[in-house]
Amino acid sequence: NAGVTQTPKFQVLKTGQSMTLQCAQDMNHEYMSWYRQDPGMGLRLIHYSVGAGITDQGEVPNGYNVSRSTTEDFPLRLLSAAPSQTSVYFCASRGLGSGANVLTFGAGSRLTVL
Amino acid sequence: AQTVTQSQPEMSVQEAETVTLSCTYDTSESDYYLFWYKQPPSRQMILVIRQEAYKQQNATENRFSVNFQKAAKSFSLKISDSQLGDAAMYFCARWNTGNQFYFGTGTSLTVIP
Repeated sequence: NAGVTQTPKFQVLKTGQSMTLQCAQDMNHEYMSWYRQDPGMGLRLIHYSVGAGITDQGEVPNGYNVSRSTTEDFPLRLLSAAPSQTSVYFCASRGLGSGANVLTFGAGSRLTVL
Repeated sequence: AQTVTQSQPEMSVQEAETVTLSCTYDTSESDYYLFWYKQPPSRQMILVIRQEAYKQQNATENRFSVNFQKAAKSFSLKISDSQLGDAAMYFCARWNTGNQFYFGTGTSLTVIP
């Protein structure tokens, strides 16, 4: 059981470049989300999805796009990277329903924007 | 405000001793869940313990236990018999009936041999 798989683990971009962080889960979780982790700021929610075809914004959505075409995959797109997007990104998922409120995290992706 | 506050950026403990990490939160909801996550140097986020707000009994998981004070909106984590492997960043988090988890800013725990 792989859980939540994120790729790549590390990425360096130049300002203005675009890229996609991939996230896949094999637990049939309806809920998937993306967080960014910055020193002294904890984890902040970027976008989330409660099912295929449904996405919504979190606390810090600007500069990021998401889509959810399947239950398993939830990619995060940076259309024009900025140095302020240098961060560690986490994908996390959980099932919906009573008792299914524990977030399972991927291993994280460290992104540096020069 | 939907905040989670961890007022201790750094803590240290001697191996085999006990340490308590503090967390306070703000919510207007009556139904919610609280969590402690551990993030070792590997960066992986690991669930340590979970507490349902409607349960008065404090959750325990082996050497980890919580002191949940609902009226005070306080949720501290106690680590007993600290081990070197407990060294990590610890995050307190809250989830209510919405779709967002709210995380604190973390406490970095050092275990001194």
